[in-house]
Amino acid sequence: ELKVEQNPLFLSMQEGKNYTIYCNYSTTSDRLYWYRQDPGKSLESLFVLLSNGAVKQEGRLMASLDTKARLSTLHITAAVHDLSATYFCAVDMGPFSGGGADGLTFGKGTHLIIQP
Amino acid sequence: DAGVIQSPRHEVTEMGQEVTLRCKPISGHDYLFWYRQTMMRGLELLIYFNNNVPIDDSGMPEDRFSAKMPNASFSTLKIQPSEPRDSAVYFCASSLDSYNEQFFGPGTRLTVL
Repeated sequence: ELKVEQNPLFLSMQEGKNYTIYCNYSTTSDRLYWYRQDPGKSLESLFVLLSNGAVKQEGRLMASLDTKARLSTLHITAAVHDLSATYFCAVDMGPFSGGGADGLTFGKGTHLIIQP
Repeated sequence: DAGVIQSPRHEVTEMGQEVTLRCKPISGHDYLFWYRQTMMRGLELLIYFNNNVPIDDSGMPEDRFSAKMPNASFSTLKIQPSEPRDSAVYFCASSLDSYNEQFFGPGTRLTVL
């Protein structure tokens, strides 16, 4: 059974600081996704990471994937209040489960609060 | 494209009643997924379809839950009879293929009294 663990689950930080959210998963996969969810809203896709060593950046957010370590990171640079949200990583076992796409297994989410 | 469309956005019903949630995926997407989000269990996959065919329904909690996809532009998730523990936000998502991200609809917030 695929397990996805995020840490920390709660993070309060000040504007201008840097921080990293970690996502570990338990079985082989080369498909990892990061989503953002604002309170009462749906999930917004941030990054798609499909190979070992993949790195994607958008604004103050950067995501990376190490498939050998089964680890992805979401790095926040010089945080601003607008980045306050819950961030989820999700893993798709894809071909390793014997099929094409598979449903996503989500971490519990990291609730991020950025204070002015 | 309007994105994934779900209806209703909110549903309040009484225990024992039948509930039907609806989803219209993004045009051209081959995969459709149903998820449920609760505080206790987080986001869980219920079932997904590829080209209108159910592929994996192992996440459907009980026989009270059923899902159909009669054509490429419409899917339903039905709960009959509903119970208070079914209260959750139900999301529908679609993706173009097996390597693209899934796009989520706005969700249906279900409350079973």
